[in-house]
Amino acid sequence: QKEVEQNSGPLSVPEGAIASLNCTYSDRGSQSFFWYRQYSGKSPELIMSIYSNGDKEDGRFTAQLNKASQYVSLLIRDSQPSDSATYLCAVKTPSYGKLTFGQGTILTVHP
Amino acid sequence: DTEVTQTPKHLVMGMTNKKSLKCEQHMGHRAMYWYKQKAKKPPELMFVYSYEKLSINESVPSRFSPECPNSSLLNLHLHALQPEDSALYLCASSQQGGETQYFGPGTRLLVL
Repeated sequence: QKEVEQNSGPLSVPEGAIASLNCTYSDRGSQSFFWYRQYSGKSPELIMSIYSNGDKEDGRFTAQLNKASQYVSLLIRDSQPSDSATYLCAVKTPSYGKLTFGQGTILTVHP
Repeated sequence: DTEVTQTPKHLVMGMTNKKSLKCEQHMGHRAMYWYKQKAKKPPELMFVYSYEKLSINESVPSRFSPECPNSSLLNLHLHALQPEDSALYLCASSQQGGETQYFGPGTRLLVL
């Protein structure tokens, strides 16, 4: 079992729709969770961080964390073509400072 | 300001060359990281520096040699690389405690 798993996609949604990206992790001791967006040829850009169970909202983005189910998700409301990118889920493992990344989900928002 | 800078943006080198990648941050972060990213794969951790000391080496071949001259700078010295080392090399930094990591723009390396 991989430490952090994401659906690789591609996930295709129409403009204006809600895009839902999912991530599961295997280490129950994990405490910090991050979503990064990466455009083709660019470096990862932090979108959201979440540490507690529940929802965290920032503009059009909502991160959801359920530690009991070892599940973290990212919802993008009113999706725009500029949201088309690879979304990386990252989990901080109990070992110091190490982020474990999922394989990434490719999102395409079509007009 | 959450800016991490990296130079050069692109680098082409032969297998016998010696080159260095540079990374700089002025956010007062005390942890700095090198990652390697191949196409369509997630970043892979190579090294972690904490308070200018190497704290994690993910079993990286010795042809990659990291250096942290001070709290703002991180170098990656390259020597006798192989074509399979061609990748995007990413630097990141974080506050002590390693919570949120901020990435630089990366150096795209091609080894011929």
